[in-house]
Amino acid sequence: EIVMTQSPVTLSVSPGERATLSCRTSQGVGRTLAWYQQKPGQAPRLLIYGASTRASGLPLRFTGSGSGTEFTLTISSVQSEDSAIYYCQHYDSWPNTFGQGSKIEI
Amino acid sequence: QVLLQESGPGLVKPSETLSLTCTVSGGSMTSDYWSWIRQPPGKALEWIGYIYYSGSTNYNPSLKSRVAISVDTSKNQFFLELNSLTAADTAVYYCVTHLYASGWYDSWGPGTLVTVSS
Repeated sequence: EIVMTQSPVTLSVSPGERATLSCRTSQGVGRTLAWYQQKPGQAPRLLIYGASTRASGLPLRFTGSGSGTEFTLTISSVQSEDSAIYYCQHYDSWPNTFGQGSKIEI
Repeated sequence: QVLLQESGPGLVKPSETLSLTCTVSGGSMTSDYWSWIRQPPGKALEWIGYIYYSGSTNYNPSLKSRVAISVDTSKNQFFLELNSLTAADTAVYYCVTHLYASGWYDSWGPGTLVTVSS
């Protein structure tokens, strides 16, 4: 089973600042990586798949990058509504696994 | 866009079997894959397993001995059964759809909290 490690655990940013979240996999997964946003009491929402492809309707301030074992989710100019927990997930092999999450505080 | 809605008991006793239903609306089940994913309180997400409309399944090895997923395409529903419950099975359970067997998870139900307690 591939282990997903996300950092930081919590990131505090001010509106308009840049936020960078990291996801590391215990073995290479190519570009088979997705990112999700989860707000309190809600289901996760797909943001990025294929490491860098934005889901339909996703604001351009969200960018995914990376390959192999190192991936990054960047929010270029954080807005108040971006306060949430962000999870990465690989789908390279079974079972698919998720990271522990990174929380963005505004 | 397809909509999903979980239903089932909110409280189940230890050692009993959990049965959940996911009702799909706004689309046909005769395409795509249908998964169950759970999230213990304050913890990360865990994929439980999926079913294809044809009935083929794939389960997380950590749960394989206790889980069964089935589908009834005529009712636009799929189901989760998880037996031999313990407190560690307390979680929000989500039903999810995805385009590829191994892929990203496109659409999620709102989730249902299941508590295992006597």
